[in-house]
Amino acid sequence: DGGITQSPKYLFRKEGQNVTLSCEQNLNHDAMYWYRQDPGQGLRLIYYSQIVNDFQKGDIAEGYSVSREKKESFPLTVTSAQKNPTAFYLCASTPWGRRGTEAFFGQGTRLTVV
Amino acid sequence: AQTVTQSQPEMSVQEAETVTLSCTYDTSESDYYLFWYKQPPSRQMILVIRQEAYKQQNATENRFSVNFQKAAKSFSLKISDSQLGDAAMYFCAYRSPGTQGGSEKLVFGKGMKLTVNP
Repeated sequence: DGGITQSPKYLFRKEGQNVTLSCEQNLNHDAMYWYRQDPGQGLRLIYYSQIVNDFQKGDIAEGYSVSREKKESFPLTVTSAQKNPTAFYLCASTPWGRRGTEAFFGQGTRLTVV
Repeated sequence: AQTVTQSQPEMSVQEAETVTLSCTYDTSESDYYLFWYKQPPSRQMILVIRQEAYKQQNATENRFSVNFQKAAKSFSLKISDSQLGDAAMYFCAYRSPGTQGGSEKLVFGKGMKLTVNP
């Protein structure tokens, strides 16, 4: 079945560590997105990528980095520069050019700083 | 930059009654798409309904319908015959047109928590 897989479901990070959240899709979608969800803040865009080897900063990119080496994969690294990384992270994808198509989401990763 | 505003953080409705969730947005674009997503306690995002800005007719999906007012930049969701399973967070979202060379950003509002009382 086609879909988006995020892993791990839960992740714990010590202060000063970098951690990487995985997002893989087999929907043949061109565009992929990373969102951060905090209570009362909705979904805030971190980074997005429309094609391989290209990505753009969203509204809250500081302290995060991404790569898009393959169409299927869009990993997010939460660096030590991100001072408040505890949040729920959602990855999404959409096909390029089919603008009316909704975004498909993974099941999310809950990151906690310990 | 496009923004989406959901001014009501929480609402409640009695089972079988009707409730309307409000959403406004700001954009200078004329062609775009609007969505309502539902996020139950499982936190899985589920599409409820979509609206194309160039279509004047309001979208309808079973018990869910929208009131799209393009000039007012308003996009409200009406849930009829509310069911216990409708209890969730609801997010309004705006998608840029993504014309050649442009971006296809997907922007969300802050969400609204809907409680359905039996």
